[in-house]
Amino acid sequence: GDSVTQMEGPVTLSEEACLTINCTYTATGYPSLFWYVQYPGEGLQLLLKATKADDKGSNKGFEATYRKETTSFHLEKGSVQVSDSAVYFCALVTDSWGKFQFGAGTQVVVTP
Amino acid sequence: ETGVTQTPRHLVMGMTNKKSLKCEQHLGHNAMYWYKQSAKKPLELMFVYNFKEQTENNSVPSRFSPECPNSSHLFLHLHTLQPEDSALYLCASSQDRPTNPEAFFGQGTRLTVV
Repeated sequence: GDSVTQMEGPVTLSEEACLTINCTYTATGYPSLFWYVQYPGEGLQLLLKATKADDKGSNKGFEATYRKETTSFHLEKGSVQVSDSAVYFCALVTDSWGKFQFGAGTQVVVTP
Repeated sequence: ETGVTQTPRHLVMGMTNKKSLKCEQHLGHNAMYWYKQSAKKPLELMFVYNFKEQTENNSVPSRFSPECPNSSHLFLHLHTLQPEDSALYLCASSQDRPTNPEAFFGQGTRLTVV
């Protein structure tokens, strides 16, 4: 079945450091890929998405490129802020009616 | 404002109580979901409704009973829960559109069973 694997956390960084969270997937068909972010005590918020190969999703300084050849969708940000501290989830969907698969989540802690 | 509203935000209930969680979406979506998020565990899909019809039940115990009266509302009825059912329960919705297939989540209900 479809699945998503993302790097384990926590990832601890200093402010203004570069962030990369690796995500790889297995899927039948042609999935759409997502990154969601969850702040403490909140639900999941869509951060960015890519619906076909070679698409680049971007939002709030975060970027991820849909790489079909390596089945990857790594999340990157060039300069993190304390406010980026959260849990990040990689996800995919292939079915028309949204049977989403989520990775286990990666906690990111940014220190001043 | 995500367009998906869950109430209550927090709930404490005893093992013999009956309570319900409510989810409402104002996005015109046709699919709605219940997820369970426990500490140190991946998100668990519990139920999926498409056009008010249940299409997925991931071996969820019968003490959890979903109800979807229309495409905008989703309930999760709870009875005789166990302490291990304490978790964050998340509702989500989505629409079958190739360019916008993403799910939108509510803020969740933090459930504590005592």
